[in-house]
Amino acid sequence: GAVVSQHPSRVICKSGTSVKIECRSLDFQATTMFWYRQFPKQSLMLMATSNEGSKATYEQGVEKDKFLINHASLTLSTLTVTSAHPEDSSFYICSARDASGGHEQYFGPGTRLTVT
Amino acid sequence: GENVEQHPSTLSVQEGDSAVIKCTYSDSASNYFPWYKQELGKRPQLIIDIRSNVGEKKDQRIAVTLNKTAKHFSLHITETQPEDSAVYFCAAKVSNYQLIWGAGTKLIIKP
Repeated sequence: GAVVSQHPSRVICKSGTSVKIECRSLDFQATTMFWYRQFPKQSLMLMATSNEGSKATYEQGVEKDKFLINHASLTLSTLTVTSAHPEDSSFYICSARDASGGHEQYFGPGTRLTVT
Repeated sequence: GENVEQHPSTLSVQEGDSAVIKCTYSDSASNYFPWYKQELGKRPQLIIDIRSNVGEKKDQRIAVTLNKTAKHFSLHITETQPEDSAVYFCAAKVSNYQLIWGAGTKLIIKP
């Protein structure tokens, strides 16, 4: 089946530093990847849609200069949280859609970010 | 903008009984409706989905119904078991394959 990996699974960083999260589709090519943020006891909130080879599309209220997304290949998208602050602490999850078609999104295991 | 409403927020049922979670969506162009189960600290797991050209789909103890006219879709779990305890999310596909998510339902199965 379609597998998406995400790295790291957990990261603790100091306020003001940057953190990069990687999302990889392991056994399929993904022209589109999605980045979500999930706060405790809340639903998934779409942050941005990442298309291979083009600029990401950010949702309203998500700062593109703070959350840098790069989708340089059909199997890898990265999210960099720049100048992280404690309020950025959250569960970040990526998902990928198979380029060969279909509606389903395949989810990574998530990254727990804690900013101290 | 598009939105998905999900009810109830918490559902507690006796083991063996049925559970029903309901969602409504706003975008009439939505044509794909997945349901996800999420356990604490883990990724959402697709449990069943339905496309707009189908009114009902069943997979063992799980079924989903869709009423396009009313823009309603529902998840039905029969013969609930302790391992069904989790948070369930409905979603609707909008443009560019994006999913709009419901707020989630915490399902508690009482032994």
